[in-house]
Amino acid sequence: DIQMTQSPSSLSASVGDRITITCRASQGIKNDLGWYQHKPGKAPKGLIYAASNLQSGVPSRFSGSGSGTEFTLTISSLQPEDFATYFCLQHNSYPRTFGQGTKVEIK
Amino acid sequence: QVQLQESGPGLVKPSQTLSLTCTVSGGSISSGSYYWSWIRQPAGKGLEWIGRVYTNGGTNYNPSLKSRVTISLDTSKNQFSLNLSSVTAADTAVYYCAREGWDLLGAYYFDSWGQGTLVTVSS
Repeated sequence: DIQMTQSPSSLSASVGDRITITCRASQGIKNDLGWYQHKPGKAPKGLIYAASNLQSGVPSRFSGSGSGTEFTLTISSLQPEDFATYFCLQHNSYPRTFGQGTKVEIK
Repeated sequence: QVQLQESGPGLVKPSQTLSLTCTVSGGSISSGSYYWSWIRQPAGKGLEWIGRVYTNGGTNYNPSLKSRVTISLDTSKNQFSLNLSSVTAADTAVYYCAREGWDLLGAYYFDSWGQGTLVTVSS
C-alpha cells in the first residue's frame, strides 16, 4: 500500500493567514492526489484533484501543487468557514490511501 | 448535485455481519461512469478505503478486508450497499459512502460524500 504522511497534524491560525499543508507519498504517484475538507458531522468536501485542479465551486483561495511524492495544499487567506480538518488522498493505486489529516484551528 | 445518505444499524454484535446502505438522490446510480465507494474512520484514527463498485457491478476491495467485504448495487432503489462479515470491535467506525469519478484526462476525484454513520460492534 502507498503510505501518505501528512503534516502538520494540527495548526492554529488567524483569519487572513496563509497556511500550507503537506502530504508525502511513500512512492511516486505522479499527480494522482486530491485534497478534501471535513467538518464534524458533515460530509467531506472535495477541494483539489490531480494535485492542482480545483473541484467545481471551490474558492480560488485554495490551491494545490506538487507531483511525484510531495504535495502541498495552500489557503491564501484563511476565512472563518475554513476552520476544519483537511486530508489528502492518493488516487494512483489500490487500495486508495489517506493522509492522517490536519486540523486547522482558530488562534 | 448528487447527494448520498448512509443508513443501517448503529449497533452490531461481534461475529455478525455489518450491513449498510447508501441512498443516492439527485442522479441515477446506473448512469454515467462512476465508482460508488465505502470508506471508514475508527475514532481517533485515519480514514480507510474499504472498496468500490462500478456502474456495471464490477468491484475492487481493500486487500486487508477483501475476505469479509461485499459491495453491490441495487439500481431499482438507486442504492448501493456494504456487507462486512465476522465483525469485531476493530470494525467500530464511522462509515462513509462516496462517489468517485474521473475527468477526460483520467484524473480521479471523490465529488460527493455522505455525512457518515457510526457503527459500533459490541455485545
